[in-house]
Amino acid sequence: SQKIEQNSEALNIQEGKTATLTCNYTNYSPAYLQWYRQDPGRGPVFLLLIRENEKEKRKERLKVTFDTTLKQSLFHITASQPADSATYLCALSFGGYNKLIFGAGTRLAVHP
Amino acid sequence: DAGVIQSPRHEVTEMGQEVTLRCKPISGHDYLFWYRQTMMRGLELLIYFNNNVPIDDSGMPEDRFSAKMPNASFSTLKIQPSEPRDSAVYFCASSPTTVQPQHFGDGTRLSIL
Repeated sequence: SQKIEQNSEALNIQEGKTATLTCNYTNYSPAYLQWYRQDPGRGPVFLLLIRENEKEKRKERLKVTFDTTLKQSLFHITASQPADSATYLCALSFGGYNKLIFGAGTRLAVHP
Repeated sequence: DAGVIQSPRHEVTEMGQEVTLRCKPISGHDYLFWYRQTMMRGLELLIYFNNNVPIDDSGMPEDRFSAKMPNASFSTLKIQPSEPRDSAVYFCASSPTTVQPQHFGDGTRLSIL
């Protein structure tokens, strides 16, 4: 069956450290992978998009990798801050379509 | 830009009642999506429209659910009759073209008693 897996348990890290979140998928061949941030009581907010032919994408303190052989994406936040505390969702999409399939999300807590 | 606007933000109603959720997408966006989010099932796509035409409604759970987009600036998701298991947060999102980031509203928290 098709699955997207993100760490179900919350990730707790110390301020200033690098947070690494994982998104694994099976039985999909996505053309694109996106990461979103969701705060309590709010809708998801887009962060980064990476294509299947790209290995890595960066935006300020954020970095995403996409390994289509391992069927895995890693999402890194460097120099993390308490304001980075939120739930992070990965989402797959497929060439020619705008339909997104979301993972369950990982809750990140950054402690001062 | 005002972003995607959803109303109401909260809705509490009794089982069997009709519920109508509303969405105004970002102007100029050709795609509109309706999602449902629950603790058990996460964020699920219900239906999406391209240029006001429904493209994929395979996520609509039952015939009790219906969605319309009468024009480019307005969409509704209707549940009739509502049931307690429909309780969830319903999100609307829009995007300008194919494979572009989606912009979400802040959702409608629906409670069916």
